[in-house]
Order: sequence, then structure tokens, then C-alpha cells
Amino acid sequence: DQQVKQNSPSLSVQEGRISILNCDYTNSMFDYFLWYKKYPAEGPTFLISISSIKDKNEDGRFTVFLNKSAKHLSLHIVPSQPGDSAVYFCAASGGGADGLTFGKGTHLIIQP
Amino acid sequence: DSGVTQTPKHLITATGQRVTLRCSPRSGDLSVYWYQQSLDQGLQFLIHYYNGEERAKGNILERFSAQQFPDLHSELNLSSLELGDSALYFCASSAFLRGDYGYTFGSGTRLTVV
Repeated sequence: DQQVKQNSPSLSVQEGRISILNCDYTNSMFDYFLWYKKYPAEGPTFLISISSIKDKNEDGRFTVFLNKSAKHLSLHIVPSQPGDSAVYFCAASGGGADGLTFGKGTHLIIQP
Repeated sequence: DSGVTQTPKHLITATGQRVTLRCSPRSGDLSVYWYQQSLDQGLQFLIHYYNGEERAKGNILERFSAQQFPDLHSELNLSSLELGDSALYFCASSAFLRGDYGYTFGSGTRLTVV
């Protein structure tokens, strides 16, 4: 049973436009959400996070939105740049010592 | 360079064999997490050690075991290997016990079982 779902395996966006990556979760105990970015042959790198007490967190070109009632979060990248082409993983934490629960990832392709 | 070192980078072995994957966390980090990424799968949490003690277990098979040593490096032991164990194995480290703050991943060990 997948508790964190990224329903779009891939997404293609033109350079300069907005990229929106979506993530849904089912476990109500999750209270912290993170996005990781992964390039080929590298490990995932932390991008941005949001606590369940907030509905938005912004860091430069990256904004994460959380809709708790819908159990949905999204990552907005504005404007999209060629270096943003990567696989993006959504992850959730219920606190404590457990590991993060990851989605399967969305491959973002930024086209020139 | 993330500061988390995983060795070896690539490993090819036969079914039924045993292998050991090694992870050196970032300097000062006490937590080490192990994850498995199979083809078309997200990262699956295996196990978490904090300052030498096991703190949480995820979907780790009984054929797999791990430990964290006094110098804080960790090893993941995989035994009686099967074809389905072929995957990328990532180690991640953090200064914290809780996973909320995220952690830093190594570049992974690609295991191929033939």
C-alpha cells in the first residue's frame, strides 16, 4: 500500500514556465513533508520542506504548498531552468526515528 | 560531494552470495539510514541507526542486517542474495534522531545479482 503517491511519472515543461509537481498521501499521521531532487548517478538532495502547521513554504524559485484536508502537496518551480531537469521525490515523515516514506518520483524535463 | 561516502559504487555478485555495503556519514552526524531503490520504485526505508543503536526498522528482509560502529560508520549486510535484490542501495546521514529535518544521501551502491 503506497502511502505517498506521485501519479505523474514524467512531466515536460518549457524553459521559463512554471513547473508543478504533485504528491498525494494517505497517512494522516504524516506531519512533515519534504521534496528531494535526484540527478542520474547521484544520491537525492534535499530541496525544500513544509511542516503540517503551514500551508506554504517558499525558498527562491521553489514553493511547496500543502493542502491537509485533501492530503495533497505540490512543488512549484518558477521560472523553470534547464538545470531543474531531474527526478523529484516527495517524502513524508510521521516524526520519531522512522525513515521518510517516499513516492516513486516524477521525472521533470525542462525543454529549451 | 555530499559528505556521505558509500563503497563500493558498483557490485556484481551471484545468487546465494553475501555482500557488505559500507557507509561513512558526514562528520558529526549520528544518524545513518539505509534505503533500497529498485527499478521503477521509490526509495524504500530499510533501517535507521543512531549513535550505534538501532532505532527503527522498515521493510528490511530477514536476510539483511546492519550495524553502526563506534566510529559511526555503518555496514549493510545482504545474504543469500536473490535476483530481486538487485537495486540501488543508498545510505543517508543526519545530525538528528528525528527524520523530519531531512538528511543527506550518499551517491549509492548499485548491486547487481546475476
